[in-house]
Amino acid sequence: GAVVSQHPSWVICKSGTSVKIECRSLDFQATTMFWYRQFPKQSLMLMATSNEGSKATYEQGVEKDKFLINHASLTLSTLTVTSAHPEDSSFYICSARVSSASDIQYFGAGTRLSVL
Amino acid sequence: KQEVTQIPAALSVPEGENLVLNCSFTDSAIYNLQWFRQDPGKGLTSLLLIQSSQREQTSGRLNASLDKSSGRSTLYIAASQPGDSATYLCAVNGFQKLVFGTGTRLLVSP
Repeated sequence: GAVVSQHPSWVICKSGTSVKIECRSLDFQATTMFWYRQFPKQSLMLMATSNEGSKATYEQGVEKDKFLINHASLTLSTLTVTSAHPEDSSFYICSARVSSASDIQYFGAGTRLSVL
Repeated sequence: KQEVTQIPAALSVPEGENLVLNCSFTDSAIYNLQWFRQDPGKGLTSLLLIQSSQREQTSGRLNASLDKSSGRSTLYIAASQPGDSATYLCAVNGFQKLVFGTGTRLLVSP
């Protein structure tokens, strides 16, 4: 149980285009989903926290107009990188938590974004 | 602001050795600490979770300890195997956010 699916696993796009990444909880309902970014050989940095039906909370330094997060249902959150540039190339990982009473986050397999 | 540091950054050992990975954090007000494994280009696999009230957790060849007052945790891997080669991340949970360490890249050679 507690499987989080992230799609796509790898995407290459041209500079200036927008890319959408999906994060789905397959066998549970996730009240909260998290989006992380990981640069090569570095650790995961939290970008934003999204609760179903409300606006995402972004960490300091993360541009909310650049990284659009939608959490429209209890099983799906999406991250859209708008007008992507080469510096947005990174590994993006989502996680999902069942409820605020649970400390456990279940992680997706990640999406590698390469912007040419 | 919570800061999490892992030492060493990289470790290379021959198969069969016992080894210890270290994690330190600056703010002891945590709910729990978690150890993850990450294979190259992949997501995270949770290994062990220690609640703030616990001192250690064990799973198979893995044992994790927590000393919250001193801001330290260790991950002990017994009888290491080539399949243990990966990056190991510790993450501290405070105020429902995970703060990750910088990771230890482990290579176990046959």
